[in-house]
Amino acid sequence: GAVVSQHPSRVICKSGTSVKIECRSLDFQATTMFWYRQFPKQSLMLMATSNEGSKATYEQGVEKDKFLINHASLTLSTLTVTSAHPEDSSFYICRGGPFYEQYFGPGTRLTVT
Amino acid sequence: TQLLEQSPQFLSIQEGENLTVYCNSSSVFSSLQWYRQEPGEGPVLLVTVVTGGEVKKLKRLTFQFGDARKDSSLHITAAQPGDTGLYLCAGRPLGGRRALTFGSGTRLQVQP
Repeated sequence: GAVVSQHPSRVICKSGTSVKIECRSLDFQATTMFWYRQFPKQSLMLMATSNEGSKATYEQGVEKDKFLINHASLTLSTLTVTSAHPEDSSFYICRGGPFYEQYFGPGTRLTVT
Repeated sequence: TQLLEQSPQFLSIQEGENLTVYCNSSSVFSSLQWYRQEPGEGPVLLVTVVTGGEVKKLKRLTFQFGDARKDSSLHITAAQPGDTGLYLCAGRPLGGRRALTFGSGTRLQVQP
């Protein structure tokens, strides 16, 4: 199956700093990537849809200026959490793949202190 | 917003018991997927059901898609400790959009 990687797997940052999370497609071209957030013991919530070469589409309630998404190539989408606060601490997961075959990345655990 | 409600939210059983997890919605989905997620990892796809009334079996796991494509169930026979994890259903909305709507999740713990 298709492989999606994420980096870093874990990151701890101080409140007010920015953190960039990378999501790479290793064996397919990803015109679209989906970014999800998962709080402890909860389900996945879709944050935004990342589109290669165009602006991301954000879900209702997700701040565009806080969660910056860049999808500059067919193999890389990035999510930058700007001016992070402790309430942004969460598990961030990307998903992508050929049209009807979607695969999740391993996730990034963000802890904001 | 299309919502998927899962029940039960948490289930703790003994090895060898059977269990069923339900996933219900008032909306119709073009397909529905079931995932299992372990702590600190991304969800892993177990099955995709597409046709109303469809039943798929994966070893001790049986998945069913409701006739109206609004609900689904996952039945595990003779549960084992290795089945422990978070089970998530996810529906693909009508219209071809690829973003999934995830259910609230069922945390299963199988005691040896």
